[in-house]
Amino acid sequence: QKEVEQDPGPLSVPEGAIVSLNCTYSNSAFQYFMWYRQYSRKGPELLMYTYSSGNKEDGRFTAQVDKSSKYISLFIRDSQPSDSATYLCAMRNNQGGKLIFGQGTELSVKP
Amino acid sequence: DAGVTQSPTHLIKTRGQQVTLRCSPISGHKSVSWYQQVLGQGPQFIFQYYEKEERGRGNFPDRFSARQFPNYSSELNVNALLLGDSALYLCASQPGGAGETQYFGPGTRLLVL
Repeated sequence: QKEVEQDPGPLSVPEGAIVSLNCTYSNSAFQYFMWYRQYSRKGPELLMYTYSSGNKEDGRFTAQVDKSSKYISLFIRDSQPSDSATYLCAMRNNQGGKLIFGQGTELSVKP
Repeated sequence: DAGVTQSPTHLIKTRGQQVTLRCSPISGHKSVSWYQQVLGQGPQFIFQYYEKEERGRGNFPDRFSARQFPNYSSELNVNALLLGDSALYLCASQPGGAGETQYFGPGTRLLVL
């Protein structure tokens, strides 16, 4: 079983829809949780960074962490065609810098 | 400020050859990590270096090695290339050894024929 599970999609939504992306994990030592956006053939771009449980909002993006359920989510409001990309969840423990990534979810927002 | 830079952007090698990939971190960042991303998968951790010392190593064979220089730039070396080494190699920088997030470069796309 992988440490981090993420549905690869693809996920296709109409412009303006609310998008929900999710990851589950098995390692209770994970304390830091990140979401990256990766456009085709580019490096991952950091979207959200949260510590422990709770919610964090940044513009149209909201990240949620539920450590009791080992479940994290990213919500995108008023989705735009420019949001079409692969979204990667990543997490790590308190020690060092090794990030564990999910497989990535491919999102397509149709005009 | 410039972000993380990597060179070359693309590379084609044949099986058995050796390759060196280069990374320059964000100015002021002292830690560099390397990841391998195979098509359709998330990045897999290879190495982390902080202040020229190896801080972590992923589950990769000894054909993979790296080092960090006094200016905090880094090189990743892969010997005896296999077809399965074809991937996007990503470098990430962070200010210190732990506790901060990582910022990724554009990657080097390696194709092994």
